[in-house]
Amino acid sequence: DAGITQSPRHKVTETGTPVTLRCHQTENHRYMYWYRQDPGHGLRLIHYSYGVKDTDKGEVSDGYSVSRSKTEDFLLTLESATSSQTSVYFCAISNRRGNTFYGYTFGSGTRLTVV
Amino acid sequence: DAKTTQPNSMESNEEEPVHLPCNHSTISGTDYIHWYRQLPSQGPEYVIHGLTSNVNNRMASLAIAEDRKSSTLILHRATLRDAAVYYCIPTGNQFYFGTGTSLTVIP
Repeated sequence: DAGITQSPRHKVTETGTPVTLRCHQTENHRYMYWYRQDPGHGLRLIHYSYGVKDTDKGEVSDGYSVSRSKTEDFLLTLESATSSQTSVYFCAISNRRGNTFYGYTFGSGTRLTVV
Repeated sequence: DAKTTQPNSMESNEEEPVHLPCNHSTISGTDYIHWYRQLPSQGPEYVIHGLTSNVNNRMASLAIAEDRKSSTLILHRATLRDAAVYYCIPTGNQFYFGTGTSLTVIP
């Protein structure tokens, strides 16, 4: 297994407060991703990273920022949480070893509720 | 990025083969075709991927059309544990999920 963990697993926060979700990997993979999943929408890409301090936007990046100061951690921040950001958030890594690609591995998700 | 079309839902009887179709008519020449599935309350799980030729692994087979505009995920003998949402994703470096196909397996 690629060793990817998300924290926290569940969080309830109030509208207007900042929230940071953490994704941690143990195997030095270069690419990391943040998705959100809402009923009827499947998974939608928020931001992704292709290396330390290298990040780019996905299709639903408004209201979110990310940081990657070291290879193993990819942080997703909601600067001022809104109720529309209530969702399940998934982190993923691109699982490569040498020249062999083993697919993308997803974390178990963080259920965020903004009240 | 290539967009996909999958049936919203499908049913299969247990122990029978299942063919899950996906249309990706705008796929680029270098995009791989990935398939993932998501069981209830879990993150997506890698199933299989391929570029041009058919692929097999312990979970499934992937049949890719010669023009690469469509593909079919084949589960050779559906089990109750295969009940999930299946996503077809043509991809370069980014990953865009659609709403997938919800597979129901009937005992």
